[in-house]
Amino acid sequence: AQSVSQHNHHVILSEAASLELGCNYSYGGTVNLFWYVQYPGQHLQLLLKYFSGDPLVKGIKGFEAEFIKSKFSFNLRKPSVQWSDTAEYFCAVNSPGYSSASKIIFGSGTRLSIRP
Amino acid sequence: DTAVSQTPKYLVTQMGNDKSIKCEQNLGHDTMYWYKQDSKKFLKIMFSYNNKELIINETVPNRFSPKSPDKAHLNLHINSLELGDSAVYFCASSQVPARQETQYFGPGTRLLVL
Repeated sequence: AQSVSQHNHHVILSEAASLELGCNYSYGGTVNLFWYVQYPGQHLQLLLKYFSGDPLVKGIKGFEAEFIKSKFSFNLRKPSVQWSDTAEYFCAVNSPGYSSASKIIFGSGTRLSIRP
Repeated sequence: DTAVSQTPKYLVTQMGNDKSIKCEQNLGHDTMYWYKQDSKKFLKIMFSYNNKELIINETVPNRFSPKSPDKAHLNLHINSLELGDSAVYFCASSQVPARQETQYFGPGTRLLVL
């Protein structure tokens, strides 16, 4: 079955540090990949998504992610984090099980804490 | 002008009770979803409706019954609540049920079963 792994459960960084959150998925075929963010007490919001084309995807708030097909990875990066980036980050992939339905499989999330 | 709204925001109830959570979207989307987020923040899809028709139905106890009176609403009714039902339930919507569509999430309903 399709699965998404986020190996970092909790990441703690100081402001201005660089960030990389890992995401690996299990499916070997065509995939659509997403990163969602959940700020404390808020709903999930889309940060960025990859469907095809340039494997380096730029999202909102200075985030980017790189799709590396050979590694089944879609890691999230930001060169310099801010305190306001404190949130839970979820990697997600569309399951191909339903060809016409958008069934997203989420990773377990990575909690990012930024020290001021 | 909330895009996807859910009520109630918090729900505390006793085991064995029946409760409903409501979801509404004003984005004009055709497709709506229910997700469950457990205590470890793991998110899993439960149901999806497209134009009031069920298109995704994961392995969910039949105590959970979604109802879509129109394409802007997708309610979740839960019978005979159990302790393990305690979670945050998120509603979401997308324009169409295509694989590349972005889903827009509601604020969540925190359900606590005592």
